[in-house]
Amino acid sequence: NAGVTQTPKFRVLKTGQSMTLLCAQDMNHEYMYWYRQDPGMGLRLIHYSVGEGTTAKGEVPDGYNVSRLKKQNFLLGLESAAPSQTSVYFCASSPHGAAGLVGNTGELFFGEGSRLTVL
Amino acid sequence: DAKTTQPTSMDCAEGRAANLPCNHSTISGNEYVYWYRQIHSQGPQYIIHGLKNNETNEMASLIITEDRKSSTLILPHATLRDTAVYYCIVRFIIQGAQKLVFGQGTRLTINP
Repeated sequence: NAGVTQTPKFRVLKTGQSMTLLCAQDMNHEYMYWYRQDPGMGLRLIHYSVGEGTTAKGEVPDGYNVSRLKKQNFLLGLESAAPSQTSVYFCASSPHGAAGLVGNTGELFFGEGSRLTVL
Repeated sequence: DAKTTQPTSMDCAEGRAANLPCNHSTISGNEYVYWYRQIHSQGPQYIIHGLKNNETNEMASLIITEDRKSSTLILPHATLRDTAVYYCIVRFIIQGAQKLVFGQGTRLTINP
């Protein structure tokens, strides 16, 4: 049981290049999230998904696109990378979105992060 | 969005109880308080959560004031491995998905 796996773990891009970060979870979770973390700051939500085929914007969605074609995968794309997108990206998943469900702590399970540098 | 306020850093001696405070004065009645921690640059790890009652699990205890405007996370016997950044988060639901708004957290250092 791998949990939440992010690939790649490190990447260096030049301004204007594109790339895709892959998040895969093997826990059959409905909900998946992409966060970014900048030095000295907490995590900020980029996009999230409440189920296969659905996506929604978070706090800082500009410059990113996402897709959830398969339940277990959540892809984060940068079409034209900018230096401001240099960050550590974390993917997370959770089985449910609403509190109060029996046996549901509402816990988010995070991946180990992907460090992206845009030159 | 409800915001949280935490001290930037705290120190605690190994073996002692670490008490981490959090203010969330704008919290709404149906919003939960969550605590996560992040060790080094790893992904955040869930610790505990609560609505209005005090909660305890194998990792920590959560004390929420009666007016719910503040809470305290207690690590009863801190170890060196508890050194981390601790985030107090108010969770709310948008379109069926839970949304966690992270602040800057408290950097807790456990000293030998």
